[in-house]
Amino acid sequence: DQQVKQNSPSLSVQEGRISILNCDYTNSMFDYFLWYKKYPAEGPTFLISISSIKDKNEDGRFTVFLNKSAKHLSLHIVPSQPGDSAVYFCAASVDGGSYIPTFGRGTSLIVHP
Amino acid sequence: DVKVTQSSRYLVKRTGEKVFLECVQDMDHENMFWYRQDPGLGLRLIYFSYDVKMKEKGDIPEGYSVSREKKERFSLILESASTNQTSMYLCASSGPGQGRETQYFGPGTRLLVL
Repeated sequence: DQQVKQNSPSLSVQEGRISILNCDYTNSMFDYFLWYKKYPAEGPTFLISISSIKDKNEDGRFTVFLNKSAKHLSLHIVPSQPGDSAVYFCAASVDGGSYIPTFGRGTSLIVHP
Repeated sequence: DVKVTQSSRYLVKRTGEKVFLECVQDMDHENMFWYRQDPGLGLRLIYFSYDVKMKEKGDIPEGYSVSREKKERFSLILESASTNQTSMYLCASSGPGQGRETQYFGPGTRLLVL
């Protein structure tokens, strides 16, 4: 029973265009969300996060949008660059609860030059 | 900068061997984790520890054990390696806060069990 779902295993985008990675969750107790990026043969690295009191958080080319009513969040990368090609993991946690985030299965993004 | 190091990047072991994977973090983090990553399955939590000598089972603890004798070091042990334990193993650590803490991951150990 996946509480955090990334329904697209892969996404292919042209360089310079927007990449949109989606994540859905089922546990309404989740109130803190994170995105991690993972290159092959490396560990995941933190990318961006958002608290449930916000609906948007921006950091350079990366923006995360949260729709609490739909239990949906998305990561936008604009403009996409070939170096963005990686696996992106969505994770969710309960602020003040367990310190163990729940991860999605990841979306592999390929940005073509 | 937080640094999480893992003892090996690549390991090849034979079925039935005892395997030790070591992880060290240098940020005085309370929490440490072991995950395995397999294609299509994402990150699955094996064990975690929130303090020295404390350990808790994650989602897939069968066939594994852990040891945390020092705060900075968390070891994953495969008592008798099997081919279905061929995987990428990732160690992570995080600070004392709850929920909002970012996890910092090591580079991973790719284990092949023959």
